[in-house]
Amino acid sequence: DTGVSQDPRHKITKRGQNVTFRCDPISEHNRLYWYRQTLGQGPEFLTYFQNEAQLEKSRLLSDRFSAERPKGSFSTLEIQRTEQGDSAMYLCASSYGAVGPVEQYFGPGTRLTVT
Amino acid sequence: QKEVEQNSGPLSVPEGAIASLNCTYSDRGSQSFFWYRQYSGKSPELIMSIYSNGDKEDGRFTAQLNKASQYVSLLIRDSQPSDSATYLCAVGGDTGNQFYFGTGTSLTVIP
Repeated sequence: DTGVSQDPRHKITKRGQNVTFRCDPISEHNRLYWYRQTLGQGPEFLTYFQNEAQLEKSRLLSDRFSAERPKGSFSTLEIQRTEQGDSAMYLCASSYGAVGPVEQYFGPGTRLTVT
Repeated sequence: QKEVEQNSGPLSVPEGAIASLNCTYSDRGSQSFFWYRQYSGKSPELIMSIYSNGDKEDGRFTAQLNKASQYVSLLIRDSQPSDSATYLCAVGGDTGNQFYFGTGTSLTVIP
């Protein structure tokens, strides 16, 4: 299967701890996105990479959140000093394109629970 | 703030019927529109995209776009119980780098 993969699939952590999630995009997809989804809501954009460059970041995103995509391959999303409000499904998506909107393909997600 | 509105439902249709899902968006400059299906506890799965006014058909699915009315819809013909899911409408942003999602419409197909 060459779809988007995410690891871990589930994470339970205590408030105040740091967590890191990994996303491996579809091979040769140059664009990578992170979204967050809470129950009953649609996915909410967090950040976007084109190759290794982080080109866009949501203004709603706290400074506790950071993302990287070294060498334009996999990406990591780190949340520092987690809070209960961070509990959500974290979704990674990838796509291929130079400019303009194109179809995004989602991974299975990482479900975070902060206790 | 770009808004994407969907009726949250639930929408119930009998097996074999046509299900009609609707979505409106606030940004008149939007150019790209996508429908995703999401089963409970799973991630969104792309159904289809539409960029031009009119209809686009793919199997049992038809997407309809009317940019003048800022309206996009998804028709599911011959609905099956396996179509029971939440359907998310997504609109591409100005730069195309992010999607704006609606809250989704819950569809139940009754056998």
